[in-house]
Amino acid sequence: AQRVTQPEKLLSVFKGAPVELKCNYSYSGSPELFWYVQYSRQRLQLLLRHISRESIKGFTADLNKGETSFHLKKPFAQEEDSAMYYCALRNQGGKLIFGQGTELSVKP
Amino acid sequence: DSGVTQTPKHLITATGQRVTLRCSPRSGDLSVYWYQQSLDQGLQFLIQYYNGEERAKGNILERFSAQQFPDLHSELNLSSLELGDSALYFCASSVEGGLYTGELFFGEGSRLTVL
Repeated sequence: AQRVTQPEKLLSVFKGAPVELKCNYSYSGSPELFWYVQYSRQRLQLLLRHISRESIKGFTADLNKGETSFHLKKPFAQEEDSAMYYCALRNQGGKLIFGQGTELSVKP
Repeated sequence: DSGVTQTPKHLITATGQRVTLRCSPRSGDLSVYWYQQSLDQGLQFLIQYYNGEERAKGNILERFSAQQFPDLHSELNLSSLELGDSALYFCASSVEGGLYTGELFFGEGSRLTVL
């Protein structure tokens, strides 16, 4: 079965602390993985994709095929990072499957 | 605003009724996706259309149907509504279609409440 699992519903950290949002996936083929973010009162939007190997707003994510994980990391969290984060997998049929989401709360 | 637009933003109706949610994709985007977001289920993929044709199907109930029109706008029809259909329904669009779709651009959602 194709599945994306985000084990944490809520992650609370203090400003300046490192943050890691966990994402595990289940897929037999070669997945494309993404992180989407929804800030308060804004639309869900793409944060980054594994193909690009980019760092956006200080966030990075590395695809680990051995562990079937795509964790999102940032070394120093900022208050403006508080948002809902969704990990997503796109299968070869084009379907984008989302995890349940993790709410990140960065406290001052 | 040339982004994805969804109407209505809020809708309250009774069990057994039928509603239609409308989505206009971004200018130039050929693919439209529908997602259902409820408290317990997260974002559930319902269906995707590409240039008027159904491209992928998710966990869409038989009571639900969708279509994409020649002008590329899409409608999601929900019938014989049940309390459990109460949710936020998102539409998203992307410029690419086929096997490998690009970045999805989301609308603000239509909040359906079934009483």
